[in-house]
Amino acid sequence: KNQVEQSPQSLIILEGKNCTLQCNYTVSPFSNLRWYKQDTGRGPVSLTIMTFSENTKSNGRYTATLDADTKQSSLHITASQLSDSASYICVVTKRTGNTPLVFGKGTRLSVIA
Amino acid sequence: GAGVSQSPSNKVTEKGKDVELRCDPISGHTALYWYRQSLGQGLEFLIYFQGNSAPDKSGLPSDRFSAERTGGSVSTLTIQRTQQEDSAVYLCASSVLGGEQFFGPGTRLTVL
Repeated sequence: KNQVEQSPQSLIILEGKNCTLQCNYTVSPFSNLRWYKQDTGRGPVSLTIMTFSENTKSNGRYTATLDADTKQSSLHITASQLSDSASYICVVTKRTGNTPLVFGKGTRLSVIA
Repeated sequence: GAGVSQSPSNKVTEKGKDVELRCDPISGHTALYWYRQSLGQGLEFLIYFQGNSAPDKSGLPSDRFSAERTGGSVSTLTIQRTQQEDSAVYLCASSVLGGEQFFGPGTRLTVL
């Protein structure tokens, strides 16, 4: 069954600290994996996209990793800011099918001063 | 605007009423998706339109849900005889074929 599991479900950290969010998937055949940021009341916005051959990709203070062998990805946020408070959603794209996206339930991150 | 727009942003209705939600995709995007996001849950796929092909309706939870895409652009999601469990945020996304999906801000539906 095609699934995407994220952990933790929620996380509270102090401003300036780092954190890592996890994503495990069983989606097959795999095409790519995206991390989305969803602010409250907004639609998700893509942060990074990683294909099978990519291990690490950075976007500013966000660094995503992918281990295609173990089917795990992480999103590391460095020097967190209050504006990082949002839900972070892991989305895996299948290589086939009209409905190729499989969404995780997201991790709710709260950054506090 | 350059992004996906949805209307209304919020809709409160009474149980049993019909509602229509609208999505204006990014110009030139041939693919359009509808998703539902319930509180504390991940995004749930509802329906997918691609060009002139027959839509993939495999995610629609019941026959009370239907969607149209007129002229390959604007789409309307209709929920008939709404139930309280239909309360959720309904998100629309569009993309070029095989490309990144860009999401709209969503419509928050509350069924009383």
